[in-house]
Amino acid sequence: QKEVEQNSGPLSVPEGAIASLNCTYSDRGSQSFFWYRQYSGKSPELIMSIYSNGDKEDGRFTAQLNKASQYVSLLIRDSQPSDSATYLCAVNANTGNQFYFGTGTSLTVIP
Amino acid sequence: DAGVTQSPTHLIKTRGQQVTLRCSPISGHKSVSWYQQVLGQGPQFIFQYYEKEERGRGNFPDRFSARQFPNYSSELNVNALLLGDSALYLCASRVNPGGSGNTIYFGEGSWLTVV
Repeated sequence: QKEVEQNSGPLSVPEGAIASLNCTYSDRGSQSFFWYRQYSGKSPELIMSIYSNGDKEDGRFTAQLNKASQYVSLLIRDSQPSDSATYLCAVNANTGNQFYFGTGTSLTVIP
Repeated sequence: DAGVTQSPTHLIKTRGQQVTLRCSPISGHKSVSWYQQVLGQGPQFIFQYYEKEERGRGNFPDRFSARQFPNYSSELNVNALLLGDSALYLCASRVNPGGSGNTIYFGEGSWLTVV
């Protein structure tokens, strides 16, 4: 059983639309949740972190966490072509040393 | 402020050879982790080091080893390279080794190709 699961996509949305990315995790002891963006040929860069149930907004990005359902999502509003990338969901247990990553969802924003 | 720095950025090795990858964490960060990312997959945890001590190890063979130096920089060594070791090797910097709220930040990575 994979620790973190994401739909690999590809997900395509028109410019200006909302992109919705989803992630589920298996370890109920997980405490910290992260979204990373990875452009082709580059390393992952942190977009957002979330630790409590509910929504967390940062600019055009909103992360949503539901620990009871073991579900994390990322919404990108007013999607731009520059948002085209692979989005990685990562999970970390409170006492754990390692981060578990999903395989990533490929997003394409069509101009 | 300088981010996580890694070297070399790209390298090509032959099967059976050995490779050493280097990493300097963000200033003030004392924990370094190494991840392997194979094309089409998410990063996989290899090691975590803190204060020169190994704090965690992923499911990788003993051909993989690492160490951390007093200045918190780190090296990852891979012996007896296999074709399957071809990947992007990521160094991640973290303030402390664990605890809620501790985010990891990645360097640019080292692209290793084994031929």
